[in-house]
Formats: sequence, structure tokens, C-alpha cells
Amino acid sequence: DAGVTQSPTHLIKTRGQQVTLRCSPKSGHDTVSWYQQALGQGPQFIFQYYEEEERQRGNFPDRFSGHQFPNYSSELNVNALLLGDSALYLCASSLASGGLTDTQYFGPGTRLTVL
Amino acid sequence: AQKITQTQPGMFVQEKEAVTLDCTYDTSDPSYGLFWYKQPSSGEMIFLIYQGSYDQQNATEGRYSLNFQKARKSANLVISASQLGDSAMYFCAMREPGITGANNLFFGTGTRLTVIP
Repeated sequence: DAGVTQSPTHLIKTRGQQVTLRCSPKSGHDTVSWYQQALGQGPQFIFQYYEEEERQRGNFPDRFSGHQFPNYSSELNVNALLLGDSALYLCASSLASGGLTDTQYFGPGTRLTVL
Repeated sequence: AQKITQTQPGMFVQEKEAVTLDCTYDTSDPSYGLFWYKQPSSGEMIFLIYQGSYDQQNATEGRYSLNFQKARKSANLVISASQLGDSAMYFCAMREPGITGANNLFFGTGTRLTVIP
């Protein structure tokens, strides 16, 4: 049973560039959430996708956008990169029908460094 | 206001001993879920244990148990018989019912646990 996978593992970009991160959910899951984890902090919710629509969004600017594909995989796009965007980006998958009790399973993350 | 507070930046425990990691939460919703995750240096968040606000008994999963005190709004993680592989960051997280049903997680700042041989 394949878990959540993310690519790439590491990425180095310069200020002003754009980046795309990818996530494949755990088998059987239909919902993907993205989190940003700055160094020494807990993860912060960016947004969640279900049925190819953004279902909920955290306190992140429009530079952060996403997409979900029919096979439930997802992309996170960040435009006009800032130094402060350097972080570990975590993808989590879950079942929409699970409600409050449903567990989110996380991928290994993509470490983004903005120079 | 912080939804999840973890006041212990770092904790040390002797191998084979038990350790308690503290977590307090803040919500006005009667329905919520509490989670603990382990994050090794590799970065992946590993789910450990879940407690629902209406659960009558404290959750247990192997060596992990959750000391749930609803009136105090605390959900402390107890790890029994610590092992060297338990050395990692531990995060407490809460989920509330969202308007859209998204049920995203709110995380604390974490506690770094070091197990001493």
C-alpha cells in the first residue's frame, strides 16, 4: 500500500522565481492538504483540495496556488518567491468522508530553499 | 490566540523510562479531534494517536497513550518504555469542524524528545 509521495525532495530557487511541488496521495484517499513548516515551527495549513476544488484556505497570499487532478494527485505552486518562503512543504492525504476522526497521513516533504 | 500550546521545547528521558509531553488546546467548539505526530529528522510526520472530544476513554496505541483532561483542555502524550528510536520532534495538533468541512489541522510548536542510553 503506497503512502503519500512528494517530489522533488529538495529544491533551490532564487527570489522572484516560481516553483511547483507535487504530491500523490495515499491509495484510496481523495483529499489533499498542503502545509508549510518553517524551521523550528509547527506546520501551517496552506489549503486543501477535494474534488479538484480548493475547499479551504489558510492565511497565505495568492502567490500560493494549487491544483488537484482527477487521479487525486496535487500540485502546489508558489509565484514570486521570497526568502521567507524557504521551508519544508508537507502534503497530507485523507478521506473526505472521514470527518473529524479522519487521520491525515503525511508525505516526506519537499525542502525549498530560496536564495 | 494559539489553538495548540506545547510549553516544553525539549525533553530528555532515560531509555526504558516513561515520559509525558504536554499539550493544551483552545477551542469553543464542543466537537474536535486531537492528534499527536512524530517527526524524525527525515521530516516526515508520522501519525501516533488520536483522541476525539466525545471519547469517554483515553486513547492508547501500543506504547503511546493520551492523557485527555477535557476540563483542563489538555491532551498530554505519554510514551512508556522509551526507546532510542523515539528521539524526534513531537507535535500536538487539533482539528475543528470547518465551515467547508475541510477539517484542517492546527499544530503546536513541538517538543524535541531525546532518549538517553
